Amino acid sequence: EAGVAQSPRYKIIEKRQSVAFWCNPISGHATLYWYQQILGQGPKLLIQFQNNGVVDDSQLPKDRFSAERLKGVDSTLKIQPAKLEDSAVYLCASSLRPPGGLMNEQFFGPGTRLTVL
Amino acid sequence: AQSVTQPDIHITVSEGASLELRCNYSYGATPYLFWYVQSPGQGLQLLLKYFSGDTLVQGIKGFEAEFKRSQSSFNLRKPSVHWSDAAEYLCAVVKGNMLTFGGGTRLMVKP
Repeated sequence: EAGVAQSPRYKIIEKRQSVAFWCNPISGHATLYWYQQILGQGPKLLIQFQNNGVVDDSQLPKDRFSAERLKGVDSTLKIQPAKLEDSAVYLCASSLRPPGGLMNEQFFGPGTRLTVL
Repeated sequence: AQSVTQPDIHITVSEGASLELRCNYSYGATPYLFWYVQSPGQGLQLLLKYFSGDTLVQGIKGFEAEFKRSQSSFNLRKPSVHWSDAAEYLCAVVKGNMLTFGGGTRLMVKP
C-alpha cells in the first residue's frame, strides 16, 4: 500500500515570495491534515479536511496561508507571501476517520522542508 | 494551555542500556495517547497508542508505554536500546478533534 506522498521535499525561497506544497493521501482516507513543524518543536496542526470540507482551520494564519482539497483527494497548501518565520517542515497526514476513534491512526508523509531567506 | 509536555529535550543513552522517555498530559477526559518516532528526512511513524483497557501497551520495535492516570503520564520504555533507535520521539494526545503533540525528545545513542 502506497503511503502519503508529498512534493517537493525541499524548497528554498526568499521572503515575500509565494510557495505551494502538494499532498496525495493514502487511497480511501477521508481525513487529511497539514501540520507545521518548526525546528525543535512538535508538529502543530494547521488545517484538517474531512473529504473536501474544512473541519478545523483555527490555527491557520489565513492572511497568508491557504489550503484546498478539491475532489476530496489531493491537497495543496499555499503560502503567499512567505515570511522568515514560516521556515519549517510541512507535514501532510491522512487517516480513515477523524481523530478520536479506533480507526483514527494518522499516517504521515515525509514532509516538505521550507527555508525562507 | 499545554496539553502534552515532554520534559526532556535531549537524552543520551549507551547502546544496550534501558530507556525511558517521559510524557505528561493535561486533559480531563480519558485521553487517547500516542507515541511517534521521527527519523531524519522521514515522516512520523506510529510506535504505539492507548485508547482504553490494559494500561501497559506494547508497540513496534520493542517499545512499550504505560498509562498512569494518577500521574497523568504515558512514558515510553525500551529494555535495550539499539543504535538505530536514535531519532526524535513525539508524544501526542487527541484533544477534541485534534491531535496535539509535545515538543519531542531527541534520543542519541552512544556506542
